[in-house]
Amino acid sequence: EDQVTQSPEALRLQEGESSSLNCSYTVSGLRGLFWYRQDPGKGPEFLFTLYSAGEEKEKERLKATLTKKESFLHITAPKPEDSATYLCAVQNRGNYGQNFVFGPGTRLSVLP
Amino acid sequence: NAGVTQTPKFQVLKTGQSMTLQCAQDMNHNSMYWYRQDPGMGLRLIYYSASEGTTDKGEVPNGYNVSRLNKREFSLRLESAAPSQTSVYFCASSDYGPGDSPLHFGNGTRLTVT
Repeated sequence: EDQVTQSPEALRLQEGESSSLNCSYTVSGLRGLFWYRQDPGKGPEFLFTLYSAGEEKEKERLKATLTKKESFLHITAPKPEDSATYLCAVQNRGNYGQNFVFGPGTRLSVLP
Repeated sequence: NAGVTQTPKFQVLKTGQSMTLQCAQDMNHNSMYWYRQDPGMGLRLIYYSASEGTTDKGEVPNGYNVSRLNKREFSLRLESAAPSQTSVYFCASSDYGPGDSPLHFGNGTRLTVT
């Protein structure tokens, strides 16, 4: 059974204090790993897709990396506007439609 | 270009009442999905529609029905609401093929069943 766990559950940072969020996964055959940002009262917003171990993607202060068992979302010099819940999801190769499995998310607060 | 639009944004029902959640997308995506999100849990798939004319059960389909009205619209119906269905419901769409697209989500319907 495909599973996704995320740690920590919640993270408080001071503005400018860099850190990383972890997404650990088990999947029968990885088609893609996705990172989303979710603001309170909103739907998840797509950030990145990673397809193979060693791949990296960057967007502003965020960088996502992928290994065979984990993905990390690195946040460099965060700002208060980076506060949100970050969701990780994996997509497996089979069973189309049921093949996205989401983690519970990490709630990030960046204090000014 | 609105993306995925859900209505209503909020709803309060009494146990046993029925309602339909509406979803429409303007990205010409083939696939549409209904998820529910509960505190401390990941998004869980209720039903999905891989293409117009088809629907399939997801992880938690009990108590729900869906209709894929056309390529743009996918509705979720609660026939007899129960307190366990208190949740935030998200509709999503995606496409598939050599360059699979990620899920694109609406902003949700917050449902409370008393």
